[in-house]
Amino acid sequence: EAGVAQSPRYKIIEKRQSVAFWCNPISGHATLYWYQQILGQGPKLLIQFQNNGVVDDSQLPKDRFSAERLKGVDSTLKIQPAKLEDSAVYLCASSRDRSGGTGELFFGEGSRLTVL
Amino acid sequence: SQKIEQNSEALNIQEGKTATLTCNYTNYSPAYLQWYRQDPGRGPVFLLLIRENEKEKRKERLKVTFDTTLKQSLFHITASQPADSATYLCALFSASKIIFGSGTRLSIRP
Repeated sequence: EAGVAQSPRYKIIEKRQSVAFWCNPISGHATLYWYQQILGQGPKLLIQFQNNGVVDDSQLPKDRFSAERLKGVDSTLKIQPAKLEDSAVYLCASSRDRSGGTGELFFGEGSRLTVL
Repeated sequence: SQKIEQNSEALNIQEGKTATLTCNYTNYSPAYLQWYRQDPGRGPVFLLLIRENEKEKRKERLKVTFDTTLKQSLFHITASQPADSATYLCALFSASKIIFGSGTRLSIRP
């Protein structure tokens, strides 16, 4: 089966600009996650979708970050305006099970953001 | 506060030896715990899952233990090889979320 697709792989922007990342999960996977991974740290959950509904967005900085999952499939994560501290890899993951369940996460290769 | 701690220092092991990585947690009651491998520039890849009622799980050269009293999981790679060099992440399933530790970088020298 095809894996989780993410784009772009790399993005460099100036602070205060905006950026959007796209994720296409594995077909049939109900749950989709966006994680932020800062260099040298573990992935930090930003938002979790169950189909097209939000399960958890408690750590999403909602003043600048937004995410949506249209029709319960693809998802986009937007940052506007970007800050220097947003420099990180943004990882998308999907899982078969509902709301985490007991299933493994399948990750994309990530989108590396550099904010100058 | 809630914390997940992994070996803070990188681990450097001689090829052929057993590598043991530690994951400790506080103020969580995870239903299960997962281990992932992450290579530079890549997304994490799932390795093993162990549930709260399981003491040990094995898969080929990998072994995971889970002690809910000590709030600790140990991850072992036996007969380690240079190809095992990577960062290893533990992740807890708690309150419908999967939360990751900071990872341990493992280097296997020939």
